[in-house]
Amino acid sequence: QKEVEQNSGPLSVPEGAIASLNCTYSDRGSQSFFWYRQYSGKSPELIMSIYSNGDKEDGRFTAQLNKASQYVSLLIRDSQPSDSATYLCAVLRGGTSYGKLTFGQGTILTVHP
Amino acid sequence: SAVISQKPSRDICQRGTSLTIQCQVDSQVTMMFWYRQQPGQSLTLIATANQGSEATYESGFVIDKFPISRPNLTFSTLTVSNMSPEDSSIYLCSDRTGANEQFFGPGTRLTVL
Repeated sequence: QKEVEQNSGPLSVPEGAIASLNCTYSDRGSQSFFWYRQYSGKSPELIMSIYSNGDKEDGRFTAQLNKASQYVSLLIRDSQPSDSATYLCAVLRGGTSYGKLTFGQGTILTVHP
Repeated sequence: SAVISQKPSRDICQRGTSLTIQCQVDSQVTMMFWYRQQPGQSLTLIATANQGSEATYESGFVIDKFPISRPNLTFSTLTVSNMSPEDSSIYLCSDRTGANEQFFGPGTRLTVL
């Protein structure tokens, strides 16, 4: 089982729709979870952090965490063509600030006009 | 978050040579990390570099191949030694904040011929 697993996609949604990105992780002791956006040829950009069960909203983005199910998701509302990128789920393993940040394979999102 | 810069941004090198990549952060940080992103792949942690101690390498990465220096709290270098075409990748440095959030530099795109 991979430490952090994402659907590689590609995921294609029409402009204005909700894009739903999913991620599961294997280390039950993980405490910190992140979503990064990576445009082609650029480095990853942190867009969401979540630490507690439930939802966290920031503008058009909502991160959802369910530790019991070891599942974290990212919803993008009112998707725009500029949201087209690879989205990386990352999990800080080990339960401490000195743990290892492990990335999923990434989901390629395409938002078409 | 701190601003992270890397030099060089890209390079083309000959097989058997070495390249040193520099990472500069505009504020003091305890933990710095070096990642590799091979073409079409996600990020893989090479090593953790904390000031005042030896770098800690992940499985599959060794100090002879990827020596790392961390002379102070704002600077680190990664050397890719005795390069082969398989070392062609993007190399990224990263720091971690007190909230466990990690931010990445712009990356160094390395091509080995």
